[in-house]
Amino acid sequence: DADVTQTPRNRITKTGKRIMLECSQTKGHDRMYWYRQDPGLGLRLIYYSFDVKDINKGEISDGYSVSRQAQAKFSLSLESAIPNQTALYFCATSDSTPDSLSKHTFGSGTRLTVV
Amino acid sequence: AQSVTQLDSQVPVFEEAPVELRCNYSSSVSVYLFWYVQYPNQGLQLLLKYLSGSTLVKGINGFEAEFNKSQTSFHLRKPSVHISDTAEYFCAVNLNTGFQKLVFGTGTRLLVSP
Repeated sequence: DADVTQTPRNRITKTGKRIMLECSQTKGHDRMYWYRQDPGLGLRLIYYSFDVKDINKGEISDGYSVSRQAQAKFSLSLESAIPNQTALYFCATSDSTPDSLSKHTFGSGTRLTVV
Repeated sequence: AQSVTQLDSQVPVFEEAPVELRCNYSSSVSVYLFWYVQYPNQGLQLLLKYLSGSTLVKGINGFEAEFNKSQTSFHLRKPSVHISDTAEYFCAVNLNTGFQKLVFGTGTRLLVSP
């Protein structure tokens, strides 16, 4: 099994619908992140969580919300999806040790299309 | 604020030729630097990292990068590429302050042809 699992892998949804993307990890890492990837823009941070009680906005949090249900689970919600949220979404984890920067582990991504 | 610039969106190269993918960063404090590779339909994998010490760092698959503080660059190189190196490559930076947030460049697509 993958260390960081994202579900679903692909999703097509209609404008205005609520959708949740889920991420679970078996790394035992404290820290979890949600990024979105758009062609020509690279990866941009949406939200991050340093532990279960700590949630922080990233650079593009508008239109998104997150929930850290447990150390191993971090879900991303789009309350009312819009077409410009069509993107590839990545979940990542890292621990809190001094060299954890090199331990950013990424999931395989969720490709979301909003029509 | 820190930022990362990858000027080349796409780099075409023939198999067995050398390649350099450019990355420049801006930051007022010291940084940690990374290169990630993304193969088609996959997530990102760490290729190499610079945290401190030697400015020439070696990574997986024969890649290496050199940290140049005066030029604020961290270019990725490989002396001889393979078809299997076709992928998208992302440079990333993180402030040396203990916060594990990565700022990514926009990516460079390496296209290796026979």
